Amino acid sequence: AQTVTQSQPEMSVQEAETVTLSCTYDTSENNYYLFWYKQPPSRQMILVIRQEAYKQQNATENRFSVNFQKAAKSFSLKISDSQLGDTAMYFCAFMKLIGGATNKLIFGTGTLLAVQP
Amino acid sequence: DTAVSQTPKYLVTQMGNDKSIKCEQNLGHDTMYWYKQDSKKFLKIMFSYNNKELIINETVPNRFSPKSPDKAHLNLHINSLELGDSAVYFCASSQGGLVRDRKNIQYFGAGTRLSVL
Repeated sequence: AQTVTQSQPEMSVQEAETVTLSCTYDTSENNYYLFWYKQPPSRQMILVIRQEAYKQQNATENRFSVNFQKAAKSFSLKISDSQLGDTAMYFCAFMKLIGGATNKLIFGTGTLLAVQP
Repeated sequence: DTAVSQTPKYLVTQMGNDKSIKCEQNLGHDTMYWYKQDSKKFLKIMFSYNNKELIINETVPNRFSPKSPDKAHLNLHINSLELGDSAVYFCASSQGGLVRDRKNIQYFGAGTRLSVL
């Protein structure tokens, strides 16, 4: 069974600084997707970034980028120029392909990130 | 316009009652999901429907019964509510499709906080 581990329950960063959130996962599959979702105090789950396992190039979305190490099964999220609005719980997720049109997300336990002014 | 909408946002009820949570998506997706987020913020999939057909049922008690009248709606009915059912329930949807397709991204509703007293 797939598992996703986030070893940092809480982190803090100063505004404008850079922070990296860690995520490791375990799977025997070769084709899969990895995601980072953000959950601010509003409770809404917001997609931050997505990585296809078959792509060696790390995904980037504005200030957010990932370091995807497939052999090490590591998928860390780097947030550059941190902003107060980045304060949220961040979830790493592995997408298990069920087949056809259906997949399921397996989530890590989350990292609570606080951006300090 | 909200892409995935859930009602109600908050639900407070007594043990033993029966309640329903409704979910609707206007994205034209054909796959919908229910996830449960417990008090420790851990998210886990409960059900998935594709074109009104149940695809995933993750060892959820029989008291939970999803119903999909059409592919734009997936409701969750819970019988004989227990204290342990208190959680935030998230609905999500995706288009599904091929493995290497962005349509696999799951979009989440704002969640329903259920409190069983």
